Order: sequence, then structure tokens, then C-alpha cells
Amino acid sequence: GENVEQHPSTLSVQEGDSAVIKCTYSDSASNYFPWYKQELGKGPQLIIDIRSNVGEKKDQRIAVTLNKTAKHFSLHITETQPEDSAVYFCAAYNPNAGKSTFGDGTTLTVKP
Amino acid sequence: ETGVTQTPRHLVMGMTNKKSLKCEQHLGHNAMYWYKQSAKKPLELMFVYNFKEQTENNSVPSRFSPECPNSSHLFLHLHTLQPEDSALYLCASSLLAGEGNEQFFGPGTRLTVL
Repeated sequence: GENVEQHPSTLSVQEGDSAVIKCTYSDSASNYFPWYKQELGKGPQLIIDIRSNVGEKKDQRIAVTLNKTAKHFSLHITETQPEDSAVYFCAAYNPNAGKSTFGDGTTLTVKP
Repeated sequence: ETGVTQTPRHLVMGMTNKKSLKCEQHLGHNAMYWYKQSAKKPLELMFVYNFKEQTENNSVPSRFSPECPNSSHLFLHLHTLQPEDSALYLCASSLLAGEGNEQFFGPGTRLTVL
């Protein structure tokens, strides 16, 4: 089955700096890659996603890049703010399995 | 109410108790999911329903019994649980199962088994 690895597990940055979280997946058939943000006491919420026919997508301070050849995708957050502090999960959707596999999560702390 | 709601938000139960978790989505979706989220582990998919029909049972022990009476409601019936079942149980919905699209998550039920 699909295997998703996410790094780093924890990330601490200074407010205003950039943060990058990386994920790799094992099955080249996977074609949809969402990123979720989970704040304390809440369920995960989609912040950005990318499909396999696109290499990069941006939404204000958040961007995702996808390298299909290397089977990895990354979340980039620029000009980080304290409210960006949360746990971030990547996922890879495999149409053959009909389901998504999630990474272990990255705890991001933005220090004011 | 909007989005995905879950009740109760917190539940403490003994190993011999029987309890149920409830999930309701107000998004007009056709697929609903149960996930288990334990500390330091990735989200574990438990069950998937598409148009009220179960399409995925991810080798979940029979002490967890799901029920989906319609596309808007999902239940997880619990009995004779073990302490290792303590976790956050998340419900999610999406437009359709078996397709790559956004899942909308509820806030979860924090379950503690004594």
C-alpha cells in the first residue's frame, strides 16, 4: 500500500521567517495531495491541495510544490505568524486504493 | 449548524460500558469517514461510507461498530473497549468516496477508556 513520510516532526521558527515541511510518497499512482492544519482542540482543516497535473500552487502566504518524478511534495509558509502554530498533515490520495494515506504530522511553532 | 459536528466532545468509559459517538454533516456530502488519531501516530482510517453503504473497513476490531442511517449521519458504537482504544476519534465527510477531494473534519471526540 501507499506509504507517506513527513519531515520534520517538529519545526520551530521565528515570526516572519519561512517554514518548509516535506513529504514523500511511495506509489506513483497517487494523484491528489492535500495539506491539513490542525489547531489544538479542533479537527484538521484543508489549507491547500495540489493534483498531479500541476507542479506548484500558491495561495497568499502558502504554497505547495510537487515533484512527481521524485515522489515528493512540500508545503511552504512565508512570513510566518504566531497563528500559524499548529500541527500540519500531508496526505496522498491513491485512486487504485480509493483512499488517502496521511503523514505523521509536523508540529510547527512560530515564536513571536 | 454548519460543517461537521460531533457529539460528545469528551467521553470517559469503563471497559464494560456501551456508548455511541455521533457525527452529523450539513454539507450535502455523500461520503463519511471515521478516523482514529492517537498521540504520535498518523491518522488511521477506520471506516468509509459512500451513499450509506460501507465501502471500507480497515481491519477494525469488532468492538467498534459503525452505523450510517443516511448520508448526513454517522455513528460509532463502542463496547468492551480496551485502554489502548483511548484516542481522538474524528469524523469527516467529502462529496464522494473513492475520489481525490477535500475531506471536512469534525472537532473529534476525545475518548478515554479506563
